[in-house]
Amino acid sequence: QSALTQEASVSGTVGQKVTLSCTGNSLNIGSFAVGWYRQISHGAPKTVMFGNSPPSGIPDRFSGSKSGTTASLTISGLQAEDEADYYCSTWDYSLSAVVFGGGTKLTVL
Amino acid sequence: EVQLVQSGSEVKKPGTKVKISCKVFGYTFTDSYLHWVRQAPGKGLEWLGLVDPEDGETIYAKNFQGRVTISADTSTDTAYMELSSLRSDDTAVYYCAPARAETPFNIWGQGTMVTVSS
Repeated sequence: QSALTQEASVSGTVGQKVTLSCTGNSLNIGSFAVGWYRQISHGAPKTVMFGNSPPSGIPDRFSGSKSGTTASLTISGLQAEDEADYYCSTWDYSLSAVVFGGGTKLTVL
Repeated sequence: EVQLVQSGSEVKKPGTKVKISCKVFGYTFTDSYLHWVRQAPGKGLEWLGLVDPEDGETIYAKNFQGRVTISADTSTDTAYMELSSLRSDDTAVYYCAPARAETPFNIWGQGTMVTVSS
């Protein structure tokens, strides 16, 4: 069981806006920046959001936000190439460890 | 350009140990902690621990304490992860990733496949 909770699956059509969520508690998401990672066919993860900022090279269709103990990754103008598994992570103060969500499989219909 | 280059695939027998490396390029090695994360086939990402290359201090995930040793060699800008008493469920791809204290990962190594099989 993961310390952070993500939807198991989310789907959307090309051009649509989708939001993935990542829920934790006050000692992890409530206190520290959240990272979001895209993984295609179990290749190496690629960071798509670092806190609320996308790394260079990530299209501005990707945006991140946080409210209390829930972080969100929003993809606007969904494209077929966005189909992937997405994971969130952050530092957990009580565990003194990095914690991950279980991952969300994003399907582009 | 920041790059992380990991050592190649390994096949090990149960009960033995494996040591994999992660050589960093393009940033000051001692500026960030170096983390290790793994992914078993069909499973999610799992954190093993980190090393602070500045002073060698480590933090390990509870699930791996006693079995994992993470170290850093500042003379070669290389970090290492050794996992002992290997079991079949240690079969996974192992990734290294640098990050400053309590911040997310911005870049990842290419991964090292470790297969544990008799």
